[in-house]
Order: sequence, then C-alpha cells, then structure tokens
Amino acid sequence: AQRVTQPEKLLSVFKGAPVELKCNYSYSGSPELFWYVQYSRQRLQLLLRHISRESIKGFTADLNKGETSFHLKKPFAQEEDSAMYYCALSGSDSWGKLQFGAGTQVVVTP
Amino acid sequence: NAGVTQTPKFQVLKTGQSMTLQCAQDMNHNSMYWYRQDPGMGLRLIYYSASEGTTDKGEVPNGYNVSRLNKREFSLRLESAAPSQTSVYFCASTRTGGDYGYTFGSGTRLTVV
Repeated sequence: AQRVTQPEKLLSVFKGAPVELKCNYSYSGSPELFWYVQYSRQRLQLLLRHISRESIKGFTADLNKGETSFHLKKPFAQEEDSAMYYCALSGSDSWGKLQFGAGTQVVVTP
Repeated sequence: NAGVTQTPKFQVLKTGQSMTLQCAQDMNHNSMYWYRQDPGMGLRLIYYSASEGTTDKGEVPNGYNVSRLNKREFSLRLESAAPSQTSVYFCASTRTGGDYGYTFGSGTRLTVV
C-alpha cells in the first residue's frame, strides 16, 4: 500500500524566512512524486514534479529514496506563498492515480 | 481557456436527494478522476477512468457512481445523498501514465442537510 504523510498541518513563517514543508512516503516500488498548491478558494495547481527537477516560484524539492522523503523548500518566503500545499505520490502500477497527503497550510506573515 | 470544467460550483441537497456532478476536459486527456477534499484528510480518490470506456473504484467509492460518457466527459452521481457526503469535489484529468501531473477543475462545494 502507498501512503503519504505530511506531519505539519500548519506552518507559520515570516516573510523572507526559509520555509520547508515535510513529506514522507511509503511505497515499495519506484514512485512519481508531486507537490500541488491550492491558493485560497482556487483549484489545485501542479507546483513541482520530481521527475522534471524544476524550480517553480523559487520552490525546490529533492527526492530522497533512502529517507523516503520529498520535502519542499524555499529559501525566502513571500506573502503570496500563503496557501495549502499537498504532497502526492503515483505508483508505477497505479494507472496515474494519485495518493495525497493531508496537506500543510502555510501562512506567511509580513 | 483549455482545462477542466466542473458544474455546478455550489449545491445544497437534502438527505436522500440525488444529483450528478459534471466534468469535461478539452485537453484530449485519456485519464480522468474524481476526488473529494475534506479538512485534515487531504484528497481521496472516489472513482477514476484510466481511458474512455473504463471506470474503476478508488479509495472511497461507496454512495457514488460514475459514467465516462466519452473521452471529454466524466460525471459523478450521488444516488441518495447523505450528510457524510458533504465535501468539496474535484475532477481532474491527465495524459496516460502517472508522471505528467493532473489538471484540476475548480471544484464543487456540496452540502447535504
């Protein structure tokens, strides 16, 4: 069975401070991992795919297979980063189905 | 704009009533999904359709049915609504395979009283 754990429900940071959102997963095969972001009352948007190794809006995420983690990081938080963030996993045998974590609400205060 | 369109955006139902949530995508995606979003639980998969003509149960299918009407459209039906089905429902689509990420609809906020 696959599982995604986001241990922090709420993360409050000051503008300009670094922010790290934790994501741990369990999956026996080789997973595809994603971060999605949902701004207030908007649809979910894809933020990052681990396979593309991109940096979007200053966010990066590194897949650590040894620690089964895919933490999301940004060195300097901005107020517009305030949102709900979801980590998600797709298994190689799951027909594209995504398993989502419970989400982390990020609040950036000036 | 291209994307995933969901209707309605809001709905209030009485217990026992039925309704269908509509979803359409114009990106020529093969796979479509229905999720529900509840506080503290993230998004949970209700049903999915890996390709036109196929549908399968997800994590929480009880109380729901789906129809993949054609490649573009994937509807979710609540036959007899219950208060436990109060949630925000999201439709999503993707190309075949799991590594492209989803495009989501704007959601349907459903309240069952």
